[in-house]
Order: sequence, then structure tokens, then C-alpha cells
Amino acid sequence: AQSVTQLDSHVSVSEGTPVLLRCNYSSSYSPSLFWYVQHPNKGLQLLLKYTSAATLVKGINGFEAEFKKSETSFHLTKPSAHMSDAAEYFCVVSDSGYGNKLVFGAGTILRVKS
Amino acid sequence: KAGVTQTPRYLIKTRGQQVTLSCSPISGHRSVSWYQQTPGQGLQFLFEYFSETQRNKGNFPGRFSGRQFSNSRSEMNVSTLELGDSALYLCASSLGASGANVLTFGAGSRLTVL
Repeated sequence: AQSVTQLDSHVSVSEGTPVLLRCNYSSSYSPSLFWYVQHPNKGLQLLLKYTSAATLVKGINGFEAEFKKSETSFHLTKPSAHMSDAAEYFCVVSDSGYGNKLVFGAGTILRVKS
Repeated sequence: KAGVTQTPRYLIKTRGQQVTLSCSPISGHRSVSWYQQTPGQGLQFLFEYFSETQRNKGNFPGRFSGRQFSNSRSEMNVSTLELGDSALYLCASSLGASGANVLTFGAGSRLTVL
């Protein structure tokens, strides 16, 4: 069965400092992994996805994530936080054997201080 | 290119009533999935439809049902509403149903049950 653990429920950074949002996953098949972002009262927007190509995945707005199979991790990073990055971030796993059934982590709320 | 459209955006119902939510996918997308988002349970998969057939179903009671029409539009219905059904219901569409597809989410329908 698939599962996702986001290791931090809240992360607070200062504007201009690096962002690290941690995610571990469990999957029986060859997984697809995603990061989605949700701004207040908005739907979910895709940041990036991993589907067994390059292990370092670049996404929108300067975010990137590295797939580490040995550690079953897919951490999200950004070199320099911007105020507009304040939102909730979800790590998501999807197994090819389950169609489009996504399993979401509990979410990490990112706060960016000025 | 229009995104995923969900109607209504907000609605209030009372216990015991039923509700129907509608989702119009991106043109050309044949897969539609539904998710429930609550503060306590997070984002949970409800069901997925592809070419008018239900492919996957989450762990929800039979009061939750859905269908997909020949034009790929989808509806979900919740009967005999309970207070715990108050949630943001998100619809997502994708081209295919392989699990590696990117899902594009709508803004959601926020249901309040009194």
C-alpha cells in the first residue's frame, strides 16, 4: 500500500533563506511522486513531478525535489524563499497500479517571515 | 484554455439532505477524480472515472456516489448528509489514467452541513 509522511506540519523561514520541506513515501510499485501547493481558499497547483526519469526534478517558481530511492524520500527545496511562497504544500504518491488514485501527505504549512 | 470548473463553489445544506456537485474537466481530458479535504482527515480520494466507468473507489460509505457523462463531465452525489460531510470537495482531471498523469484540480466546492 502507498503512504506518504510529511515530517513537518509547519515550517517557518525568513524571506531570502532556503526552504526545505521533507517527505518520505512508501510504495509497492514504481511510484510517481508529486508536490502540490495550495494557497488559502484556492485549489491545488502542481509544483513538480517525478516519474522515474532524472532523480533531481525542477519545478515552477524555483522549487526542486530530489528522489532518493534508498532513503524513500522526496524532499522539496528552494534556495531563496519569497513572501508569495507562504502556502500549504502536499507531497503526493501515485502507483501505476492504482490509476489516478493519489495518496496525499498531511501537508506542511510554510510561513515566510519578512 | 479553460481549467477545471466546479459548481457550485459554496453551498449550505442541513443534515439528512442530499447534494450534487458538478465538475467540468479540461477539454480533451477523459479522467475525472474526486477528493474530499477536511482539517481532520486531510485530502482523501473518493473515486475516479474514465470514459464513463468508475475505475477506482476510495474508502467512503455508499452515501457517496458519482458518475461521468459521455462529454467527460462528472457529478458526485452525497445522500443523507451528516455534519462530518462538511468539507472542500475537489475535482481533478487528466488526459489518461496511468497514475503518472498530471492531475489538474478545480477550485473546489465547499460544502457546509448544518
